[in-house]
Amino acid sequence: DAKTTQPPSMDCAEGRAANLPCNHSTISGNEYVYWYRQIHSQGPQYIIHGLKNNETNEMASLIITEDRKSSTLILPHATLRDTAVYYCIVGYSTLTFGKGTMLLVSP
Amino acid sequence: EAQVTQNPRYLITVTGKKLTVTCSQNMNHEYMSWYRQDPGLGLRQIYYSMNVEVTDKGDVPEGYKVSRKEKRNFPLILESPSPNQTSLYFCASSPFVVDLNYGYTFGSGTRLTVV
Repeated sequence: DAKTTQPPSMDCAEGRAANLPCNHSTISGNEYVYWYRQIHSQGPQYIIHGLKNNETNEMASLIITEDRKSSTLILPHATLRDTAVYYCIVGYSTLTFGKGTMLLVSP
Repeated sequence: EAQVTQNPRYLITVTGKKLTVTCSQNMNHEYMSWYRQDPGLGLRQIYYSMNVEVTDKGDVPEGYKVSRKEKRNFPLILESPSPNQTSLYFCASSPFVVDLNYGYTFGSGTRLTVV
């Protein structure tokens, strides 16, 4: 079973920030939080990962709560091309994908 | 270009006819893995390999075989395909030391239909 809980779907207006939540209350001390996205039936694409600290890269920001039981992926200025299924995963050497959140970015 | 290459992209076959889906990566990654994706079920891991000659079962290994004779290649073998193996398959790779990497790199997928 996936170790994370995500909403099945979310909407976001183009140009606005998309904040995708994820609960992972059973995360272990050495497990990372990963975010991937999958556009249509393409191979999943790595976005970002973190252990304890907040992380930012050119694609997104990852905010991890202090107790590490939840996190939020932030796409600061969503575009239509960000429409995809977003997966939040916790793990170390092997990753189990859940069903993710379908993010729909609309004009 | 760093990538994971799967072949073929599309395959239609008949029940019981052995087939192999190839996967190759050019990033010198230790870890490789196969997933299948079905509507409503998400991505499920079939087999994974931590390094050459080291393979292990994932969540749904029944009906599949793998081998890891070389670091770059990780073929998925269906000895006797059945219609319930009709699915979209993805190969992925990553360095073993996860805190130095950028997660998994996935291939473009292989859509297999077994009739």
